[in-house]
Amino acid sequence: QSALTQPASVSGSPGQSIIISCTGPTIGANEYVSWFQQHPGKAPQLMIYEVDNRPSGISNRFSGSMSGNTASLTISGLQAEDEADYYCHSYAGIVRFGGGTRVTVL
Amino acid sequence: QVQLEQSGSELKAPGASVKVSCRASGYAFNTFSINWVRQAPGRGLEWMGWINTFTANPIYAPDFTGRFVFSLDTSLTTAYLQINNLRPDDTAVYFCAREIKHFDFWGQGTRVTVSS
Repeated sequence: QSALTQPASVSGSPGQSIIISCTGPTIGANEYVSWFQQHPGKAPQLMIYEVDNRPSGISNRFSGSMSGNTASLTISGLQAEDEADYYCHSYAGIVRFGGGTRVTVL
Repeated sequence: QVQLEQSGSELKAPGASVKVSCRASGYAFNTFSINWVRQAPGRGLEWMGWINTFTANPIYAPDFTGRFVFSLDTSLTTAYLQINNLRPDDTAVYFCAREIKHFDFWGQGTRVTVSS
C-alpha cells in the first residue's frame, strides 16, 4: 500500500486542463516532490522535480504546486500524447511513490 | 548524453537467482546514487532502495531485505541488482534510475519472469 494517495483516474477533453493530486504525510515535509509520466511499456520520465521545476525539454503545459500535505500536477491544453500513467514521488529520507493516476484524453 | 543501459529480459525458474545490470554513461558515475524500482505487471512503481556509488553502501527498502543485493563495478560504471531464491511474485520489470533527490534518468527496464 502506497503512502502517497493519488486518484486512480482523471480524464479530460483535448485543450482542457486537468489536475492530479497527491496526498500523504511526507508531502510538505520538504521540497523534494517529483512527478513522472509513464507510457505503456516504457520507462517513467521525469516531468516535474522539487515541486514546481521542469527539466529541460518538458513542455510548459506541465506545472507542479504544493499546498499543505497535497502536491498537484496540472496539465494544461491537454493533448492526445498526454494519455499515460502519472506517478508522484517524494523523498524525505525514504522514497515514496504514489499509486499512479491513469490520464485519459476523451 | 546521460544513459542508463540495462541488461535484457530474463526467464528463471523458482528458486534460481538473477543478476540485472545497469551500465551508466555520459556522466561521472560516482556523483549520483543508483536507485532500483520494481513494477509488477499492471501495478505501480515500488522503490526497492539505492546504492551509494561513491561508498558502495546499499540501502534497502523494508520490503526488499534479505533476498535482494545491490552492488557495483565502478571500473565498468555498472550497478547490479541480484535477486536470490526467486519466487513467482518477483515477476516484474526492474528499473534503475539515477538519483539526486529526484530520479532524472532511468534505464529502459529489465523484465524478469519467474516461472516453472
